Amino acid sequence: DGGITQSPKYLFRKEGQNVTLSCEQNLNHDAMYWYRQDPGQGLRLIYYSQIVNDFQKGDIAEGYSVSREKKESFPLTVTSAQKNPTAFYLCASSTGQGETGYTFGSGTRLTVV
Amino acid sequence: AQRVTQPEKLLSVFKGAPVELKCNYSYSGSPELFWYVQYSRQRLQLLLRHISRESIKGFTADLNKGETSFHLKKPFAQEEDSAMYYCALNAGGTSYGKLTFGQGTILTVHP
Repeated sequence: DGGITQSPKYLFRKEGQNVTLSCEQNLNHDAMYWYRQDPGQGLRLIYYSQIVNDFQKGDIAEGYSVSREKKESFPLTVTSAQKNPTAFYLCASSTGQGETGYTFGSGTRLTVV
Repeated sequence: AQRVTQPEKLLSVFKGAPVELKCNYSYSGSPELFWYVQYSRQRLQLLLRHISRESIKGFTADLNKGETSFHLKKPFAQEEDSAMYYCALNAGGTSYGKLTFGQGTILTVHP
């Protein structure tokens, strides 16, 4: 069953800690993306990668880091430098061809305690 | 830079009534536009894209370049249409594949 998997579904972090959110896809998609979803603000792009070993900052990259060592995987690390990390995080993938649209994961809800 | 605006955070209609979710964009080139939908407890999923000019679940959207709009319409709303709807734009060029989303509109269809 092809798709995109995010884990964990819920994550709690203490202030000052780094946490890593997992995103794996078996769709053979070249491009992967991380978005943050906040009420009233829609989806805002954190980082994206159009090819293995390459990634670019999105609109709100500060306090986040990513890696793209494998085509299937695009983990997101929320660092202690992120001022307001409590949010719903969505990972997506696409062929990279603009007209085909995205496939989304089910999301990870991160809460700082 | 591109921008997508959905002016209505909330939209309520009664079952059987027409519904229109507004989307305006700002972009100087030729955009590719999409509507995504997120039903309760489900993943965000593609509803339709302007390039294919298709109708999905009775919804249609026409790109109006003069008004820079891509409004989503359905002549007779159903209760199962209740969801969060996002309009999104792909600017192409160096942003190829990267989508810019609007703020979203929560549609509630009352029985």
